[in-house]
Amino acid sequence: KQEVTQIPAALSVPEGENLVLNCSFTDSAIYNLQWFRQDPGKGLTSLLLIQSSQREQTSGRLNASLDKSSGRSTLYIAASQPGDSATYLCAGYIENYGGSQGNLIFGKGTKLSVKP
Amino acid sequence: ETGVTQSPTHLIKTRGQQVTLRCSSQSGHNTVSWYQQALGQGPQFIFQYYREEENGRGNFPPRFSGLQFPNYSSELNVNALELDDSALYLCASSGTENYYGYTFGSGTRLTVV
Repeated sequence: KQEVTQIPAALSVPEGENLVLNCSFTDSAIYNLQWFRQDPGKGLTSLLLIQSSQREQTSGRLNASLDKSSGRSTLYIAASQPGDSATYLCAGYIENYGGSQGNLIFGKGTKLSVKP
Repeated sequence: ETGVTQSPTHLIKTRGQQVTLRCSSQSGHNTVSWYQQALGQGPQFIFQYYREEENGRGNFPPRFSGLQFPNYSSELNVNALELDDSALYLCASSGTENYYGYTFGSGTRLTVV
């Protein structure tokens, strides 16, 4: 059974700090990995997608890496701001065989709070 | 380019009733997936539709069913609602190869009382 684990479950940091969110997965068959942001009661906003052939992706202050051999991904946030406060979810795309398309397997998320 | 839109945004139903949630996929996407997110949990895969047919299903009972229409929009139907069905229901669209990842809507908050 594929599982995605995110550590820590919650994180509180002062504004300006650099931080790392961790995601691990049990199934090396994960084809690609996507990081999302979720504000309270809202939908998911895609932050970064790392495809199977890539090792990392960058967007502004965000950098995500993927190491399929060790089953890990990290999301690095530089110079955190209060507006970064949200829950961050990682999701691995698992391919299905035998005709059906794959689907995303999510972790439970890391709730980030950035204090001014 | 329009994103994924879901309706309604909030819904309150009584146990035993039936509910229909709606989703319009992002332009250019032909696959629609539905996820259930209970409070404090990550989203759980319900099922997905491709070319108007169910094309993958998670561990949800048959009272969860769906449809996809020729314009790639989709419906999620839940019969015989239970209290545990209270959750945020998320719709996501993607291209066939998932090369560019999934785009999610804002969700429908369903409360069963």
